[in-house]
Amino acid sequence: NAGVTQTPKFRVLKTGQSMTLLCAQDMNHEYMYWYRQDPGMGLRLIHYSVGEGTTAKGEVPDGYNVSRLKKQNFLLGLESAAPSQTSVYFCASSYSGTQQYFGPGTRLTVT
Amino acid sequence: GIQVEQSPPDLILQEGANSTLRCNFSDSVNNLQWFHQNPWGQLINLFYIPSGTKQNGRLSATTVATERYSLLYISSSQTTDSGVYFCAVEAPGTGYALNFGKGTSLLVTP
Repeated sequence: NAGVTQTPKFRVLKTGQSMTLLCAQDMNHEYMYWYRQDPGMGLRLIHYSVGEGTTAKGEVPDGYNVSRLKKQNFLLGLESAAPSQTSVYFCASSYSGTQQYFGPGTRLTVT
Repeated sequence: GIQVEQSPPDLILQEGANSTLRCNFSDSVNNLQWFHQNPWGQLINLFYIPSGTKQNGRLSATTVATERYSLLYISSSQTTDSGVYFCAVEAPGTGYALNFGKGTSLLVTP
């Protein structure tokens, strides 16, 4: 099992550019999450999904969109990147309210 | 939302020493987890422990839900234990998403 994988691992964008981060899990988990981690802070929830075809906003959703067309994939999109979106992005998945498993992260820099 | 406070914020230990990390939370929780973020940034789930005590090798954790705190014990620390330890609790109404504390940064020196 690969667990939770994220693509890409690193990316540099210019202000106004768009991109999509891909998260994939092979554990048949219903629940998937996108978090961001900024220096000196814990992780903050961007969006989450409780099953295929569903998405919902978390604590810091502005500037991001998500889609969950397949159970195993959860996509995070930035339509017009801003320097404030420079961060490390983590995807996670879980089966109901149990242990969450995290991907390796994507380090995004917006200049 | 539920507030999560971790202490101490920073800790330096010599190899072989023991330590206790604390997590206080502001409301009752159904789900509490401890994570280790290694120096390469990977988040590893150490414990799912909404209540009671669990042990995994040199690590153990105890959650006293009625008093709203959890403790993570590291015994005979090794340099590979270095990194940041996060406590996280379930954020109500978010599909079991987690609300993280700011972490305890641990450095174990040889």
